[in-house]
Amino acid sequence: DAKTTQPTSMDCAEGRAANLPCNHSTISGNEYVYWYRQIHSQGPQYIIHGLKNNETNEMASLIITEDRKSSTLILPHATLRDTAVYYCIVRVGAGGSYIPTFGRGTSLIVHP
Amino acid sequence: GAVVSQHPSWVICKSGTSVKIECRSLDFQATTMFWYRQFPKQSLMLMATSNEGSKATYEQGVEKDKFLINHASLTLSTLTVTSAHPEDSSFYICSARADGLAAEQFFGPGTRLTVL
Repeated sequence: DAKTTQPTSMDCAEGRAANLPCNHSTISGNEYVYWYRQIHSQGPQYIIHGLKNNETNEMASLIITEDRKSSTLILPHATLRDTAVYYCIVRVGAGGSYIPTFGRGTSLIVHP
Repeated sequence: GAVVSQHPSWVICKSGTSVKIECRSLDFQATTMFWYRQFPKQSLMLMATSNEGSKATYEQGVEKDKFLINHASLTLSTLTVTSAHPEDSSFYICSARADGLAAEQFFGPGTRLTVL
């Protein structure tokens, strides 16, 4: 799996958009970008994933650059409950075998 | 999404005893289950991968005789920490994957192990 680089920490005001970047410059053509988050003392929670196109669901939006070397997770209206560590993972998608490894992620703190 | 449960959610044990942690996929059959360990302020570290009906594959540095993994059915995997010591105190998280769900990985809520 391609390695990813994320900022160690970020903060955001409640109600504002949180934009979390991820660099994955060595991503391969068949590798997807996945985002998970982990609230303190809980298991990771899937947020969103994408291959080339931008994706949106009820939790977040994922913007992937045209060269696919970086992406941004957007939480459009952050709340205090969005305070968590966010992990960007690049891996082969459906049908492929992979070793799911996590980097250090970005610790997002949403403040009032 | 699919639900993965873990039991117990937390456990305190004496040094030298063994502890079993269960991981269940509640609404899907998990061909593959993963066990992770997470120390305070650190990321998840993959310990082992288990496929139903076969032996687990352990990551480098993880003692297979200390961390016994059994994946006897498509909905249950267990991790037994044998002869636990204080340095085994950690947050243990399992995840499960079914081939029919686009290789998506669903995580359990974790088990906090404290060894006194």
